[in-house]
Amino acid sequence: ELKVEQNPLFLSMQEGKNYTIYCNYSTTSDRLYWYRQDPGKSLESLFVLLSNGAVKQEGRLMASLDTKARLSTLHITAAVHDLSATYFCAFRIIQGAQKLVFGQGTRLTINP
Amino acid sequence: DTAVSQTPKYLVTQMGNDKSIKCEQNLGHDTMYWYKQDSKKFLKIMFSYNNKELIINETVPNRFSPKSPDKAHLNLHINSLELGDSAVYFCASSQVLFLAGANVLTFGAGSRLTVL
Repeated sequence: ELKVEQNPLFLSMQEGKNYTIYCNYSTTSDRLYWYRQDPGKSLESLFVLLSNGAVKQEGRLMASLDTKARLSTLHITAAVHDLSATYFCAFRIIQGAQKLVFGQGTRLTINP
Repeated sequence: DTAVSQTPKYLVTQMGNDKSIKCEQNLGHDTMYWYKQDSKKFLKIMFSYNNKELIINETVPNRFSPKSPDKAHLNLHINSLELGDSAVYFCASSQVLFLAGANVLTFGAGSRLTVL
């Protein structure tokens, strides 16, 4: 079965703290994507990870990919309120009609 | 200018009705998609078109019929609406098929469909 499991699904944290969101996917893939969705809004692309060991950073967010473990992480450093959103990971299926399979999303709430 | 625009943003209708959602992208992308986001926030692909040609047709009831008059437009028509069709429908586009390189999906703002 093609699936993505994100952990945790809900996360409430204080400003200034660090935390990590985990994304496990079920089958071999060569690309992992992270998206952000604000309530009632579209999904905005954050990162594309293209190879094993890839690490990308943008501001307080850092994403990494371990293709052997089929695991990606999104690390939040010194969280600020503006990072409150739902974060989705997705992997690309590389057999057949290629498409993205999305996780359920992690709803992150950052409290002052 | 909105890159991927969908209309309407909200749609409330009765069971059994027929409705359409329109999508347009001004990015010059070759590939367009429809995704459905259910109440649990799962995003699942429904269809993809590449240069007006249907590429992906997931297990979707045939009450759903996509139409792509040109590569900048992908519309979704739904016949005989059911309660379970209530969801947010997202249109997306990508520069090339199969998301080569670092290409990503660019999403529209979504169309929230409520079937009563």
